[in-house]
Amino acid sequence: RKEVEQDPGPFNVPEGATVAFNCTYSNSASQSFFWYRQDCRKEPKLLMSVYSSGNEDGRFTAQLNRASQYISLLIRDSKLSDSATYLCVVEYGQNFVFGPGTRLSVLP
Amino acid sequence: GAVVSQHPSWVICKSGTSVKIECRSLDFQATTMFWYRQFPKQSLMLMATSNEGSKATYEQGVEKDKFLINHASLTLSTLTVTSAHPEDSSFYICSARDSGGARQGTDTQYFGPGTRLTVL
Repeated sequence: RKEVEQDPGPFNVPEGATVAFNCTYSNSASQSFFWYRQDCRKEPKLLMSVYSSGNEDGRFTAQLNRASQYISLLIRDSKLSDSATYLCVVEYGQNFVFGPGTRLSVLP
Repeated sequence: GAVVSQHPSWVICKSGTSVKIECRSLDFQATTMFWYRQFPKQSLMLMATSNEGSKATYEQGVEKDKFLINHASLTLSTLTVTSAHPEDSSFYICSARDSGGARQGTDTQYFGPGTRLTVL
């Protein structure tokens, strides 16, 4: 089993839709969790950290479920500019482990 | 967020030459930096973890003699691709670990803009 798994997609959704991504991780000792977005031919950019209590930033909500070892990202009222690959990142000690990413296309 | 720069942003070189890529954390100190490689339409692949003042830790399958890493200061790590060949053409991205806790909580990873290497 891979350390961090994501559905690669693509998720094709209409503008204004709500879309959710899940990410599962295998190491129960993981300490920190993040969502990054990566646009085509660009570097990943931090979208948000994921806290145990869950956190929200505008249209984006992240949740952590330690018991089931998954994190989620919810995007409400999706915009065309949300089209990107969303990377789940899990920290184990010294290392950050990336999921393969989920590709989102928001269609007009 | 924190700023990480990379230089050069793109480079084209002949087969057999060496290419040096610099990664700098501009507004924080990074004891740990990471080097990744990404081929088109593929995931980021961690190549090595660079620790200031000590030897880098390479991932399995990454040749340490081919990809030389030097992390001489808390704000600079360099990756040298020695005797580059066409199969080394890729997007090389560095990241720096911010353990200062000043932004986005502790131990956040910030990425440089990447270096696109093309070996002819």
